[in-house]
Amino acid sequence: QQQVKQSPQSLIVQKGGISIINCAYENTAFDYFPWYQQFPGKGPALLIAIRPDVSEKKEGRFTISFNKSAKQFSLHIMDSQPGDSATYFCAALPGSNYKLTFGKGTLLTVNP
Amino acid sequence: KAGVTQTPRYLIKTRGQQVTLSCSPISGHRSVSWYQQTPGQGLQFLFEYFSETQRNKGNFPGRFSGRQFSNSRSEMNVSTLELGDSALYLCASSLLETYEQYFGPGTRLTVT
Repeated sequence: QQQVKQSPQSLIVQKGGISIINCAYENTAFDYFPWYQQFPGKGPALLIAIRPDVSEKKEGRFTISFNKSAKQFSLHIMDSQPGDSATYFCAALPGSNYKLTFGKGTLLTVNP
Repeated sequence: KAGVTQTPRYLIKTRGQQVTLSCSPISGHRSVSWYQQTPGQGLQFLFEYFSETQRNKGNFPGRFSGRQFSNSRSEMNVSTLELGDSALYLCASSLLETYEQYFGPGTRLTVT
């Protein structure tokens, strides 16, 4: 049972464009929703995270939008740059433990 | 602060052997979690340790085990290695006060 569904699997965006990655979850016990960025040969790096009491959080060019009623959240990357080309993972964590459940990942390619 | 460190970075083992991987968390972080990353299954939670106690365990066979030392450093062990155990093993550390998990670069295990 895939508890966090992520789409699309891959995404190609032109430099300066907006990249949007979506995730949906099933478990209403999830209480924390981070996004990770992973480059080849590296571990995932925490980008930005949100709690369900907030509908949007912005850090630089990265924004998370959260829709609690729809059980969906998304990552928006504004002014996408070639250096943003990486795999992005959404994840969710219940308030009761530190077990992160990850989406399958989105391979983002930003063309110059 | 130094990040999460994992040793060794690469490992090649033969089926039936056992392996021990090591993780040093960020200074002051007392929770350590382990994840397995494969192309097919993605990122999957193995277990989480705090104060030398395993608090949570994922859906992996008993061949996968771990421990945490009093200095918060952690090790995981896989016994009777199978070809399917080939993966990137990631360690993440957290402060108790937040849900943020910071990953190390991983250990790439290849089982032949």
